[in-house]
This record gives sequence, structure tokens and C-alpha cells, in this order.
Amino acid sequence: AQSVTQPDIHITVSEGASLELRCNYSYGATPYLFWYVQSPGQGLQLLLKYFSGDTLVQGIKGFEAEFKRSQSSFNLRKPSVHWSDAAEYFCAVGSNTGFQKLVFGTGTRLLVSP
Amino acid sequence: GAGVSQTPSNKVTEKGKYVELRCDPISGHTALYWYRQSLGQGPEFLIYFQGTGAADDSGLPNDRFFAVRPEGSVSTLKIQRTERGDSAVYLCASSKGVGTEAFFGQGTRLTVV
Repeated sequence: AQSVTQPDIHITVSEGASLELRCNYSYGATPYLFWYVQSPGQGLQLLLKYFSGDTLVQGIKGFEAEFKRSQSSFNLRKPSVHWSDAAEYFCAVGSNTGFQKLVFGTGTRLLVSP
Repeated sequence: GAGVSQTPSNKVTEKGKYVELRCDPISGHTALYWYRQSLGQGPEFLIYFQGTGAADDSGLPNDRFFAVRPEGSVSTLKIQRTERGDSAVYLCASSKGVGTEAFFGQGTRLTVV
């Protein structure tokens, strides 16, 4: 069965500092991997996805993530965090058919300090 | 509409009552998904429709939960004999089809008292 672990419940980063959010997955085949962001009162928004090909994927809002098969990881990074990035971030894994039946992690809440 | 619309945005019901939650997908999207997000957790898959039929309902927790999409557009999630443990945010998403980005609505917060 698929599973996702986000080991950090909360992370606080200073504005302008770099960010890395950790995600580890368990899946028997080549995974489809996603990062979503959820702001208060907003729906889940897709930041980026990995289906195949280049293991470093670029997303919206300056985010990127790197798929590392050997470590079963798909960590999210941003070189310089803005106050507006404060939100809940979810990593998710899907089957080889795409977006249906995603399995989400428990999320990491990002706090941005001035 | 511009995005996925879910109504009501909030619903408070008494234990044992029946509730219906509505999802209006993005126009033209054939795939529709329901997820449930409990407090402090990530969304949990409930059911997925391709057109009018439920392609995968393996996430529905028990037979009190049922969902329909009779005309391949609007979907209704129905919960019978609600329990306090059903309290959660119910999220709906839609996409043009499998393999394409799923867009989420803002959810319906269900509180069972």
C-alpha cells in the first residue's frame, strides 16, 4: 500500500531564508508524486508534480522538488521564502494512472518569521 | 464556473441525521474526486467518478456513505446516520481526465454534534 511521511509537523523559517520540506514515500512501483499547498480558507493548490523524466521538477511560486528513488524522497525546496508562503504543505503519492486516489501525508505547517 | 464549488461551506448536524454535500466541478471536467480531511490530517481519498460512474469507491469508510453523479457533472456525497467521527472537511476535486491536474474546491466543513 502507498504511504507518505512528512516528518516535520511545523517549520519556522525567516523571511528570505531558504526552505526544505521533507517527504518520504512508500510505493511498490514508480510513483507519481505531488506537492500541494493549503492556505487558510483556500482549497488545495498544486505546486508541482513528478511523473517521470528529469528528477528535479520546477513548480509555481518559485518552488522545486527533487525525486530521489534511492532515498524514497521528494523534498520541496525554495531558495528564498516570502511571508505569503506561510501555509500548510502536503506531499502526496498517486498510482501510475495519475491524479485519482492520491495518498497524502499529514502535512507540514510553514511559519514565516519577519 | 471558474472553479470547483462546494455547498454548503459549513454544515452542523445532530448525531444520527442525514446530510448531503454538493460539489459543482469545473465545466467540462469528466473526473471528479471526493476526499475527507480530518483535523490535523492530510486529505483521505473517498471516491472517484469518471463521468457518471464511480470508478473507484474503495475509500468510502462504510455503507453509511454514498455518492452520486447522475448526469456526469454535479456530485452529491450522502451520509446517513451521521456520527461524531464523521466531523471533518469534505473536499471535492475535478479534472479533465485521468493524468491531468485535479483542482480542489474549498471544502465543506461538517460538524456532527
